[in-house]
Amino acid sequence: QSALTQPPSASGSPTQSVTISCTGTSSDIGYYNYVSWYQQHPGKAPKLIISDVTRRPSGVPDRFSGSKSGNTASLTVSGLQADDEADYYCSSYAGNNNLVFGGGTKLTVL
Amino acid sequence: QEQLVESGGGVVPPGKLLTLSCGASGFTFSSRAMHWVRQAPGKGLEWVAVISHDGREKYYADSVKGRVTISRDNSKNILYLQINSLRGEDTAVYYCARDRYSYGWGGGDAWGLGTLVTVSS
Repeated sequence: QSALTQPPSASGSPTQSVTISCTGTSSDIGYYNYVSWYQQHPGKAPKLIISDVTRRPSGVPDRFSGSKSGNTASLTVSGLQADDEADYYCSSYAGNNNLVFGGGTKLTVL
Repeated sequence: QEQLVESGGGVVPPGKLLTLSCGASGFTFSSRAMHWVRQAPGKGLEWVAVISHDGREKYYADSVKGRVTISRDNSKNILYLQINSLRGEDTAVYYCARDRYSYGWGGGDAWGLGTLVTVSS
């Protein structure tokens, strides 16, 4: 199963917004609404920030939002803060009892 | 509070067998599917396996199918991952993660700190 495609890096200045894309196929993102996003700080475990394409778990700031259009899911981080600097990973159910992750995007807050 | 703690990692020679454990506390372990996800040094996340809440359904990534077995003991709140015929490419931090649903695919809403497996002679 091929990994989902994410840009290796993204950046923005404090208070700005940045959007990270996650491109799959009609067999994964395009077919199922089981898209999740994770934030991972260096040396730490991943943290779920978006599930089911748009659902934000309790405790996650509403500055984080998710969406999907066709085979591409997106994570938008609004009002960038220094602590948002981290690696971000998308994942999607890919059918046939398989889960795939994106390669990850390193977000830099300038 | 909800907690997942992995153990069992270490330096293992190629070709050997290794069993990882993940102890769960602070939530109803038997009601959630559980995953193993690994991360090679400096690389991204890779899904390894999932097991349903009752242990009846188990699914594996193609990259490990046939060499890996996931299991759980709901009476002890422990998740396991057995890896046979270890290879260099199995070197990674192995995380256990709790799924939002009983049958998986809902997203991992709780993660352990991970246990490092290094395959080396």
